[in-house]
Amino acid sequence: DIQMTQSPSSLSASVGDRVTITCRASQSISSSLNWYQQKPGKAPKLLIYGASSLQSGVPSRFSGSGSGTDFTLTISSLQPEDFATYYCQQSYSTPYFTFGPGTKVDIK
Amino acid sequence: QVQLQESGPGLVKPSQTLSLTCTVSGGSISSGTYYWSWIRQPAGKGLEWIGRIYTSGSTNYNPSLKSRVTISVDTSKNQFSLKLSSVTAADTAVYYCARVSRSITRTTYYYYMDVWGKGTTVTVSS
Repeated sequence: DIQMTQSPSSLSASVGDRVTITCRASQSISSSLNWYQQKPGKAPKLLIYGASSLQSGVPSRFSGSGSGTDFTLTISSLQPEDFATYYCQQSYSTPYFTFGPGTKVDIK
Repeated sequence: QVQLQESGPGLVKPSQTLSLTCTVSGGSISSGTYYWSWIRQPAGKGLEWIGRIYTSGSTNYNPSLKSRVTISVDTSKNQFSLKLSSVTAADTAVYYCARVSRSITRTTYYYYMDVWGKGTTVTVSS
């Protein structure tokens, strides 16, 4: 089984800050890594697929990078609507998907 | 655009079977190279993938739930369904349905869940 970890588990940041979230896989998953944003009471929303491809309609301040076991989601300039929980998810072991535990981004 | 909507009982008794349906609107469930998936999230916790189905009826399940899960599809109704048997309080969660899409880059396929339902809360309690 491929296990996913994320760090930090939570962070506090201010509007305009550059925010970086890390996701690590227990084995190489090539670039089969997706990122989702979830706001309270809402369904997750796809941000990034294939480690670095921006989903249509997602603001360009979101970017993803990495391959193998280590991946990063970066928000270049945090906006008020970006306060949420972010999950990574591997699709390397398709059809079996696993999610990371999530990183909560809240207001400093 | 495609939308998904979960429906089903919000309360299920322990040891009984949880049954949910996801209705696809704005497009045919049979079109394209999509899979259709169920995911759940206990209150305050992370996301757990339950399983997926293709419109041919081919299924894949999370090994940790495989013995209790059945996912089926009804293309005539543009719906797919989840059954989870022998439920306990640990199965209390928000249940989401989602579309699994695929993109290809050079020789690699990438799979991701790009359309989600709003979710439905299921509580297991007597």
